[in-house]
Amino acid sequence: AQSVAQPEDQVNVAEGNPLTVKCTYSVSGNPYLFWYVQYPNRGLQFLLKYITGDNLVKGSYGFEAEFNKSQTSFHLKKPSALVSDSALYFCAVRDPMNSGYSTLTFGKGTMLLVSP
Amino acid sequence: EAGVAQSPRYKIIEKRQSVAFWCNPISGHATLYWYQQILGQGPKLLIQFQNNGVVDDSQLPKDRFSAERLKGVDSTLKIQPAKLEDSAVYLCASSLGGTLAEGQYFGPGTRLTVL
Repeated sequence: AQSVAQPEDQVNVAEGNPLTVKCTYSVSGNPYLFWYVQYPNRGLQFLLKYITGDNLVKGSYGFEAEFNKSQTSFHLKKPSALVSDSALYFCAVRDPMNSGYSTLTFGKGTMLLVSP
Repeated sequence: EAGVAQSPRYKIIEKRQSVAFWCNPISGHATLYWYQQILGQGPKLLIQFQNNGVVDDSQLPKDRFSAERLKGVDSTLKIQPAKLEDSAVYLCASSLGGTLAEGQYFGPGTRLTVL
């Protein structure tokens, strides 16, 4: 069965500093990996995805993520955090070996707080 | 482009009552998803439609939950009767074709409180 772990409930970073939100996954085959962000009282917004190819993928709002197969990780990063980046971040995985309609499995989320 | 619309935004009911949620996906999106997000957890898929057919309802508690997408556009999710543990945010999402590599577009959600 596929699963996602986000080991940190909360990440605190000062504005202007680099940020990392951690994600590890478990699937039987090669994963499809996604990051979503959720602002208060709003739905989830798609940030970026890794399907195949370059291990470093770039997404919206200056975020990027690095796929590391040996460590089964897909950490979200940004070189310089903004206060407006404060939100709840979800990592999600799909196992393309399952079927044509493989379920998207989400982690429990990591709250990112960026202080001025 | 209009996003995924959901209503109502908030609903408070007593246990054993019934409730229904409505979702209008992005125009042209063939695939529609209903998720349940309990406080402190990530969204959990309840049901997935491809046009008006169900392709995955393995995690839907079918004794009390039902969903339909009769014309392949709008969808309703119903709970009857509600239990305390159904208190959650119910998210609707859509995607163009439902392929594994696609991102999903989420609505704002309906926050259900069961007393």
